Amino acid sequence: EIVLTQSPATLSLSPGERATLSCRASQSVSSYLAWYQQKPGQAPRLLIYDASNRATGIPARFSGSGSGTDFTLTISSLEPEDFAVYYCQQRSNWPLTWTFGQGTKVEIK
Amino acid sequence: QVQLVESGGGVVQPGGSLRLSCAASGFTFSSYGMHWVRQAPGKGLEWVAFIRYDGSNKYYADSVKGRFTISRDNSKNTLYLQMNSLRAEDTAVYYCAKDSGVVVVAATPDYWGQGTLVTVSS
Repeated sequence: EIVLTQSPATLSLSPGERATLSCRASQSVSSYLAWYQQKPGQAPRLLIYDASNRATGIPARFSGSGSGTDFTLTISSLEPEDFAVYYCQQRSNWPLTWTFGQGTKVEIK
Repeated sequence: QVQLVESGGGVVQPGGSLRLSCAASGFTFSSYGMHWVRQAPGKGLEWVAFIRYDGSNKYYADSVKGRFTISRDNSKNTLYLQMNSLRAEDTAVYYCAKDSGVVVVAATPDYWGQGTLVTVSS
């Protein structure tokens, strides 16, 4: 079973600052890596799929990079609405299963 | 636009059963695989199950295998999760989610419902 480890657990930043979130896989997941944003009391929202593709309607300040075992979500300049919890997620093809990381909380400093 | 509305949550005793439903609209339901994902109170996301667009194949997390059954009725645009032998650790908000892959492709959950709370307690 592939394990995803996100770091840091909490990121304290101010609006306008750059956020860099990391997701490391215990073995290669190729580019089958997605990122989600979740705000309190809301469902997750897909931000990035296949490591670097922005989902429909996602602002350009969100970008994803990486392949294999190391992935990064970057928010170039934090807006007030970006303070939330972010999860990475991978798909394994054999057996076909999906796994989430434990999450990174981006909080206002 | 894509809409997913879950129902059927509630309080159930350990060892009991519950069936969740997810009504889909705004897309061609019969062309997409569907997921159930859960989130225990204050915890992270856990993938539960996936069913292919035509119901031909089903996949489960080890934590629910043998106890939960995912199914769908494409004539009713509805996804189901039958949960048996429920345990306290199954307490969570259960989300249904549409997969982004069309027909035979399994990709990643893209659109999510608002979830339904299942509480397993005596």
